Amino acid sequence: AQSVAQPEDQVNVAEGNPLTVKCTYSVSGNPYLFWYVQYPNRGLQFLLKYITGDNLVKGSYGFEAEFNKSQTSFHLKKPSALVSDSALYFCDQDSNYQLIWGAGTKLIIKP
Amino acid sequence: NAGVTQTPKFQVLKTGQSMTLQCAQDMNHEYMSWYRQDPGMGLRLIHYSVGAGITDQGEVPNGYNVSRSTTEDFPLRLLSAAPSQTSVYFCASRRPGLEKTQYFGPGTRLLVL
Repeated sequence: AQSVAQPEDQVNVAEGNPLTVKCTYSVSGNPYLFWYVQYPNRGLQFLLKYITGDNLVKGSYGFEAEFNKSQTSFHLKKPSALVSDSALYFCDQDSNYQLIWGAGTKLIIKP
Repeated sequence: NAGVTQTPKFQVLKTGQSMTLQCAQDMNHEYMSWYRQDPGMGLRLIHYSVGAGITDQGEVPNGYNVSRSTTEDFPLRLLSAAPSQTSVYFCASRRPGLEKTQYFGPGTRLLVL
């Protein structure tokens, strides 16, 4: 069965340090991969996506993600974390409208 | 554009009651979907629609009905609420084709007693 794994329930990072939120997927063919962010008591907001082309994808708020086909990963990264980046992050795989979501990773940025 | 709107924001129901969660979008998106969000489980797809008059079941459809009479509206009906349906419900929409980015509403928090 297809699945998306976010292996860390929570990631803690000091402000100013680089951050990584991990996501691995399992699908045959070419996956469409997304990252969304959810701030407290809000709906999800689109951050970035990989459809095809360059493996390094740049998105909103300084985030980027690297598509790695050999490792079936799509990790979210940011060079320098801000306290305002604290939120819940979801990885999503879209294959012919079969949407598969990761369980989410809570990112906490400490001042 | 208002984007995707949902009403109500919060609702308390008693077991066995029925209600309709409203969702509307003004972006002329053909695809719309309903999710529920539970702690530690991410988002689970309840029902989705690829256009007016067309709906299909997602991962967890039991206990929910939908209809899509217009492009703009996609209401979710709970026929007989159960405590297991206590959750946060999100509606989302997107264009068809390769532009797969979803736009989410602010959510409806439902408590079933």
